[in-house]
Amino acid sequence: DAGITQSPRHKVTETGTPVTLRCHQTENHRYMYWYRQDPGHGLRLIHYSYGVKDTDKGEVSDGYSVSRSKTEDFLLTLESATSSQTSVYFCAISEPGTSGPPHRDTQYFGPGTRLTVL
Amino acid sequence: QKEVEQDPGPLSVPEGAIVSLNCTYSNSAFQYFMWYRQYSRKGPELLMYTYSSGNKEDGRFTAQVDKSSKYISLFIRDSQPSDSATYLCAMRPGGSTLGRLYFGRGTQLTVWP
Repeated sequence: DAGITQSPRHKVTETGTPVTLRCHQTENHRYMYWYRQDPGHGLRLIHYSYGVKDTDKGEVSDGYSVSRSKTEDFLLTLESATSSQTSVYFCAISEPGTSGPPHRDTQYFGPGTRLTVL
Repeated sequence: QKEVEQDPGPLSVPEGAIVSLNCTYSNSAFQYFMWYRQYSRKGPELLMYTYSSGNKEDGRFTAQVDKSSKYISLFIRDSQPSDSATYLCAMRPGGSTLGRLYFGRGTQLTVWP
């Protein structure tokens, strides 16, 4: 999984509680992403980061916030979890490149976190 | 209409068959096209990467892009049980390497011995 770890790998929580998911990379890649994967929807981008303290919204950002204080860590927070946020969450990383192998700007995914909100 | 359409299957074939997986898209700005393979309860892993139109071959896998038809394909020759997985197409516009990949919903493939 390209030097990417996610924690926790599984979590069950109750509606209304805050939840933080962590993504850690050892590749020193500049860009990091959070996706959620749901049946019938595929992978959808929640938030992404283009550097330390630089983040932006994706297509399904409502109810989520992120922080990146170090290159290697990207945190996803559900401020008040809802049942609609039950999903599998994937972190991805990429390194920008305008030349060289195309794989340099390709996103590589972590193993995922399975979150259930009761 | 989703920007990327992919038949979710499931698709079930015998070992040794040729498998054809397809996606269509609506955004003519897409320039980079990828296929990811995802085993059950794992993260997606990059399988093939192509730029613009044309074919690319890697072992038993061939990726085709037809930008005029907004249609991409992945062919798997001599399919093996180990190819059983969900295959996701993904694409993005040219220009910046930052930002969103547009994914299909994935096609679930089973290759039986």
